[in-house]
Amino acid sequence: KQEVTQIPAALSVPEGENLVLNCSFTDSAIYNLQWFRQDPGKGLTSLLLIQSSQREQTSGRLNASLDKSSGRSTLYIAASQPGDSATYLCAVRPVDTGNQFYFGTGTSLTVIP
Amino acid sequence: NAGVTQTPKFQVLKTGQSMTLQCAQDMNHNSMYWYRQDPGMGLRLIYYSASEGTTDKGEVPNGYNVSRLNKREFSLRLESAAPSQTSVYFCASFKVEGSGNTIYFGEGSWLTVV
Repeated sequence: KQEVTQIPAALSVPEGENLVLNCSFTDSAIYNLQWFRQDPGKGLTSLLLIQSSQREQTSGRLNASLDKSSGRSTLYIAASQPGDSATYLCAVRPVDTGNQFYFGTGTSLTVIP
Repeated sequence: NAGVTQTPKFQVLKTGQSMTLQCAQDMNHNSMYWYRQDPGMGLRLIYYSASEGTTDKGEVPNGYNVSRLNKREFSLRLESAAPSQTSVYFCASFKVEGSGNTIYFGEGSWLTVV
């Protein structure tokens, strides 16, 4: 069974700092990996999707990388802002269960003004 | 474009009561899902429906039943609620064809069983 781990569980940084969130998964046979943002009391919103054949994806101040062979992904947030405060989750879509997703437990990010 | 809509947003139940969480999507997606989210446990799959007319158990199906009423709607029923079912429930939908599609979530339903 695919297992997805996110470390750290919580992170607090001062505004303006660049930061990296980590995601690891146990089975490299995946279609893709996604990063989501979850605000308190809300559902998950997709930030970036990386196909298994890709190494990275960028959207604004966000950059996600994927190293499938080592089972790792990182989400890089540049010049963090208080509005970035949220929980960030990663999820993989395995090849053997193509319509299922496995989620990490998330990293709770607080950006201090 | 409403996306995934789930109701109710909040519900308090007494132990042993039953209730149904409703979910509808307007994106013509084949697959629909019910997850529960608990602190420190992440999202856990309760049931999913790969297509209209099919349902399958996920990781934590005990105490729940589902119905895929049509392509748009997927409901989750608690027949006899227990305090262990206090959680946040999320419905999601997904277009399976292709490898670059994202999964869409509803806003969540907060359920407390006392």
